[in-house]
Amino acid sequence: QKEVEQNSGPLSVPEGAIASLNCTYSDRGSQSFFWYRQYSGKSPELIMFIYSNGDKEDGRFTAQLNKASQYVSLLIRDSQPSDSATYLCAVYNFNKFYFGSGTKLNVKP
Amino acid sequence: DAGVIQSPRHEVTEMGQEVTLRCKPISGHDYLFWYRQTMMRGLELLIYFNNNVPIDDSGMPEDRFSAKMPNASFSTLKIQPSEPRDSAVYFCASSPTRTGELFFGEGSRLTVL
Repeated sequence: QKEVEQNSGPLSVPEGAIASLNCTYSDRGSQSFFWYRQYSGKSPELIMFIYSNGDKEDGRFTAQLNKASQYVSLLIRDSQPSDSATYLCAVYNFNKFYFGSGTKLNVKP
Repeated sequence: DAGVIQSPRHEVTEMGQEVTLRCKPISGHDYLFWYRQTMMRGLELLIYFNNNVPIDDSGMPEDRFSAKMPNASFSTLKIQPSEPRDSAVYFCASSPTRTGELFFGEGSRLTVL
């Protein structure tokens, strides 16, 4: 079983819609959770992190964490074509970051 | 700040050759990470350093891989001898803390023929 699981997609949404990206993790002791965005041919860049159960909002982005269900999600409101990228979920546990394989998001104009 | 700097950006080599990838972390960041990314396996941690000391190298796939960090501003990842299955994008990342944001370099795309 992988430490972090994501649906590879692609997830296609129309411009202006809400994109919902999901991630599950295997270790209940995981301490912190991150979402990275990676454009094609580029390096990952951090867009959100969350440590506690509940929601955390930053502009158009909302990260949601449910430790009981071992589930992390990222909502992107008012999706733009520039949001089209691969989104990597990362989990910090026992001195290591574990990355999911990423979900590819396509936002159609 | 210049960010994490990696070189070379692209490397094409033949099987059996030695490959050396280089990384300059962000000044003041005590943690340095080497990752490998492929379509099949995603982003995998190879090794990480804290204050120039290797802390966890359990992700290094074989003895053909070695990494060093002789000082706070420079690290190398060496593959000797290289094999076609080593073809991947190798990312270096640095962080000011153990649990904080990872700042990635632009990556070194390695192709082993």
